[in-house]
Amino acid sequence: GAVVSQHPSRVICKSGTSVKIECRSLDFQATTMFWYRQFPKQSLMLMATSNEGSKATYEQGVEKDKFLINHASLTLSTLTVTSAHPEDSSFYICSARDLLAGASYEQYFGPGTRLTVT
Amino acid sequence: AQSVTQLGSHVSVSEGALVLLRCNYSSSVPPYLFWYVQYPNQGLQLLLKYTTGATLVKGINGFEAEFKKSETSFHLTKPSAHMSDAAEYFCAVSGGTGFQKLVFGTGTRLLVSP
Repeated sequence: GAVVSQHPSRVICKSGTSVKIECRSLDFQATTMFWYRQFPKQSLMLMATSNEGSKATYEQGVEKDKFLINHASLTLSTLTVTSAHPEDSSFYICSARDLLAGASYEQYFGPGTRLTVT
Repeated sequence: AQSVTQLGSHVSVSEGALVLLRCNYSSSVPPYLFWYVQYPNQGLQLLLKYTTGATLVKGINGFEAEFKKSETSFHLTKPSAHMSDAAEYFCAVSGGTGFQKLVFGTGTRLLVSP
């Protein structure tokens, strides 16, 4: 149980274009999903917290107009990187918190999406 | 605010040797603590977690960790390393007003030699 998928796993796009990454909780409902960014050989940096049916909360320094997050249902959140540039190239990982997790605050992570902007 | 410090960006052990990965945390409220493992180009997998109760926590793949409040530590151990344990390990903490957020340490890469 508690499986989170991401699509696509890898994407290459040209500078100036937009890319959408999907994060799905497959066997549970997630009121809250998180988006992280990971640079090579570095830790995960939280970009934003996404709550179903409401606007995402972005971490300081993250451009909300560049990284558009939509959490339209209890099983799907999307991250759209708009007008991508080479510096946006990174590994993007989502996680989801089980609605029924109670106070354990456990998050289940997706397999990640490798974005390369040329 | 909460933070996590992982001492040692790389730890090398021989197969069959004890694994010890260090994690110290800072938290103004009772913390929830987690260890995750990441294999190359993959997401994170939960190894174990401490929320409340027993301070010695057992996880998957033979790993365990002990919550020591007096030392603000949550070190990860495994009695006997296996080649398949080679990966990146992250300690994380949550709790407090940003209670749903996980704050990650910088990670420790475990290298296992035959």
